Amino acid sequence: GNSVTQMEGPVTLSEEAFLTINCTYTATGYPSLFWYVQYPGEGLQLLLKATKADDKGSNKGFEATYRKETTSFHLEKGSVQVSDSAVYFCALLNTGGFKTIFGAGTRLFVKA
Amino acid sequence: NAGVTQTPKFRVLKTGQSMTLLCAQDMNHEYMYWYRQDPGMGLRLIHYSVGEGTTAKGEVPDGYNVSRLKKQNFLLGLESAAPSQTSVYFCASSQGQSSYNEQFFGPGTRLTVL
Repeated sequence: GNSVTQMEGPVTLSEEAFLTINCTYTATGYPSLFWYVQYPGEGLQLLLKATKADDKGSNKGFEATYRKETTSFHLEKGSVQVSDSAVYFCALLNTGGFKTIFGAGTRLFVKA
Repeated sequence: NAGVTQTPKFRVLKTGQSMTLLCAQDMNHEYMYWYRQDPGMGLRLIHYSVGEGTTAKGEVPDGYNVSRLKKQNFLLGLESAAPSQTSVYFCASSQGQSSYNEQFFGPGTRLTVL
């Protein structure tokens, strides 16, 4: 079946540090991949997405590249800010599907 | 556009009481979803709907019922609340059947069952 595995948190970084949150997936077919972010007290919102192999999604300084050969979609940011503190969810949606599969979420704390 | 709205934002119930959570979206989306979020568990799908008048079970449907009488609204009911249903509930919606379609989430309802 389809599944998403992401690194356990929490991840604690100092401001301006480099961020990587690992995400790997298992899916039949050719899924679209997403990163959602949840700020404290809010619902999830889309951060970025990629719909085919080798696509790079990017937004607000975050990037992730769809790697079919390693079935991965790792989230990166070159210099994190305190305002990036949130929970990050990796997710997939299979071709023709309508149920998104979410990872367990990774909590990020950024210290000033 | 308000996007996805949920009412109420907070609620405290006693065991055995009933309540209905309301979700509304103004984006004309076909699909709507109810999730619960518990610490360390991520998001779990309770029920979903692929169009007006349709509903289907997700991963954790027991103890919940839903209705989608109007395209823009998706109601989640708890007939007899239990402490195990203490959680944060999120509604979401998405456009038609395409692998490009992200979900849009409401702000959540925090429910405590005593």
